[in-house]
Amino acid sequence: QKEVEQDPGPLSVPEGAIVSLNCTYSNSAFQYFMWYRQYSRKGPELLMYTYSSGNKEDGRFTAQVDKSSKYISLFIRDSQPSDSATYLCAMSNFGNEKLTFGTGTRLTIIP
Amino acid sequence: KAGVTQTPRYLIKTRGQQVTLSCSPISGHRSVSWYQQTPGQGLQFLFEYFSETQRNKGNFPGRFSGRQFSNSRSEMNVSTLELGDSALYLCASSPGTLGEQYFGPGTRLTVT
Repeated sequence: QKEVEQDPGPLSVPEGAIVSLNCTYSNSAFQYFMWYRQYSRKGPELLMYTYSSGNKEDGRFTAQVDKSSKYISLFIRDSQPSDSATYLCAMSNFGNEKLTFGTGTRLTIIP
Repeated sequence: KAGVTQTPRYLIKTRGQQVTLSCSPISGHRSVSWYQQTPGQGLQFLFEYFSETQRNKGNFPGRFSGRQFSNSRSEMNVSTLELGDSALYLCASSPGTLGEQYFGPGTRLTVT
């Protein structure tokens, strides 16, 4: 069993819809949680970074962490075609730079 | 502030050869990590350097090695290349605390 599970999709939604992306994890030592966006043939771009349970909002993006359930989510409001990309969740332990990634979810926003 | 840069962007090598990839972190960042990305395995951690010392290592064979210089720039070396080493190699930099990492564009290595 992988430490981090993420539905690979693909996921297609119409423009303007709310998108929900999720990851579950098994390692209770994970303390830091990140979401990255990766366009084709590009490096991952850091979208959200959290280290506690609860919600964190940045523009159209909201990251949610539930440590008791070992479950994290990323919500994208008012989705745009430019949001079409692969979204990767990543996690790390306290004091450790090693990131453990999910497999990524390929998202397509249909105009 | 300039982002993470990686050179070269593309490489084609033959089995058995060796290759060196370079990474320049964001100014002021002291930690550099390397990852391998393939369609089958996704993103996998190779190793991390902080202040010229390897601080963490993933589960890759000894053919994969790295180093970091006093200006925080890092190089990664792969010896005796195998076809399975074909991948996107990504470098990430961070200040060295709390795990917030920023990635470069990657070097796409093709082994023939």
